[in-house]
Amino acid sequence: KAGVTQTPRYLIKTRGQQVTLSCSPISGHRSVSWYQQTPGQGLQFLFEYFSETQRNKGNFPGRFSGRQFSNSRSEMNVSTLELGDSALYLCASYPGGLASSYEQYFGPGTRLTVT
Amino acid sequence: GNSVTQMEGPVTLSEEAFLTINCTYTATGYPSLFWYVQYPGEGLQLLLKATKADDKGSNKGFEATYRKETTSFHLEKGSVQVSDSAVYFCALSDPGSGYSTLTFGKGTMLLVSP
Repeated sequence: KAGVTQTPRYLIKTRGQQVTLSCSPISGHRSVSWYQQTPGQGLQFLFEYFSETQRNKGNFPGRFSGRQFSNSRSEMNVSTLELGDSALYLCASYPGGLASSYEQYFGPGTRLTVT
Repeated sequence: GNSVTQMEGPVTLSEEAFLTINCTYTATGYPSLFWYVQYPGEGLQLLLKATKADDKGSNKGFEATYRKETTSFHLEKGSVQVSDSAVYFCALSDPGSGYSTLTFGKGTMLLVSP
């Protein structure tokens, strides 16, 4: 099975711009979560989507949003970028059903740099 | 709330040395516990997991035992290799919440020299 894929891998944006990151989960996985990784704050949970519905959200401002499509692919959007949004954004997927083992499988990440 | 505390690194070892990375957790329910590894420039890879007390997770020579009485999940390996150099993250999830959200420790960098 192909793993979790994320595009693009690297991105450079300017303060005030907006950005959209994409994640394709492992085939058959219906849950997608997003995490932000920074040297200062470590790994922080952004949100989780299951069957096109956001079912959990971390403590991030409203500038961070996401969505999931019927094929389970997910996108996250950051509007009005700030320098502090520079980070590695990781996407993770897992089956998401009631019998889930809760093992999450991570993609390689998108490295976002805001200048 | 849930939290994970890991020993700070970097941990510097010579090849074939014994490795221990300490991890303790705080959780309101009965969490599942994980160790993830991150190699430079890559995402996270699941190394091992344990879902209930006294479970031992193991993979690629690494092992960790879920100790409920000490709320710990220390990672060990008997003989490290240069290729084990990476950042190791301890994490928990609370299946009782109905969510898969992972709470991570800060990570411990391991450097193994030949």
